[in-house]
Amino acid sequence: QKEVEQNSGPLSVPEGAIASLNCTYSDRGSQSFFWYRQYSGKSPELIMSIYSNGDKEDGRFTAQLNKASQYVSLLIRDSQPSDSATYLCAVNTGGFKTIFGAGTRLFVKA
Amino acid sequence: SAVISQKPSRDICQRGTSLTIQCQVDSQVTMMFWYRQQPGQSLTLIATANQGSEATYESGFVIDKFPISRPNLTFSTLTVSNMSPEDSSIYLCSVESEGLSQANYGYTFGSGTRLTVV
Repeated sequence: QKEVEQNSGPLSVPEGAIASLNCTYSDRGSQSFFWYRQYSGKSPELIMSIYSNGDKEDGRFTAQLNKASQYVSLLIRDSQPSDSATYLCAVNTGGFKTIFGAGTRLFVKA
Repeated sequence: SAVISQKPSRDICQRGTSLTIQCQVDSQVTMMFWYRQQPGQSLTLIATANQGSEATYESGFVIDKFPISRPNLTFSTLTVSNMSPEDSSIYLCSVESEGLSQANYGYTFGSGTRLTVV
C-alpha cells in the first residue's frame, strides 16, 4: 500500500513567522511531488510542484525534496492569516496515479 | 491555469437514486480525473477519463457504480448510481494544468460537488 503521511496538526504560527510543513512517502520510485492548499469548503489549489532533490522557491513558498529520506517539506515565509488553510502533500507514483496525504491544518495568528 | 466549471455544487439525494455530476473545462485536455474527498480525509482517485476510450477505474471503484462519460476534450460526467449514505462525500473533477504560478504544474480542480445521501 503506497502511502503519503502528514501530521494532521493543527500547526499554529504567529503572523510573520516561517511555517514548516512536512510529508513522508512510502514509494521510493516516486518522481513528482506537490503541495496543495485547501481552504475550508473549497477545492485544493496547486502551490508547488517539485521533481528534483533540493529546494525550489516560488514567492513566499519553498518546497524541499529529499528522495533518499523520502521526505518533502513546504516552507511558508512571512506567514499571513490568509495562509490559514489545510495543506495537502501529493506524490505521483507513476502514470496518472497521484496519492494525497490527509493534510496539515495551519493557523496563522494575527 | 485551466478553469473548470463543475455542477451541481451540492445536492441531497434519496438512497437508491443516481446523481450525475458535470465538469466543463475552458480548454481541450486529454485526461480528466475524478476524485472523492470524504470529510476530514484525503482525496482518493476514482477514475481517469480519456476522450474516446473507456475510463480507467482505481481499485475499489467500478463502472457500474460510477459510470463516466467523456464525449469530447472539454467535458466529462460522473454518475453516482444506486446511492447509499456511504456515498456521501465531495466529488471533484480535475485536469493537469499550471498552478497558482506558471512555475508549477499539477492538477487544477473543479469547485466540487458536495453530495449527501439520506
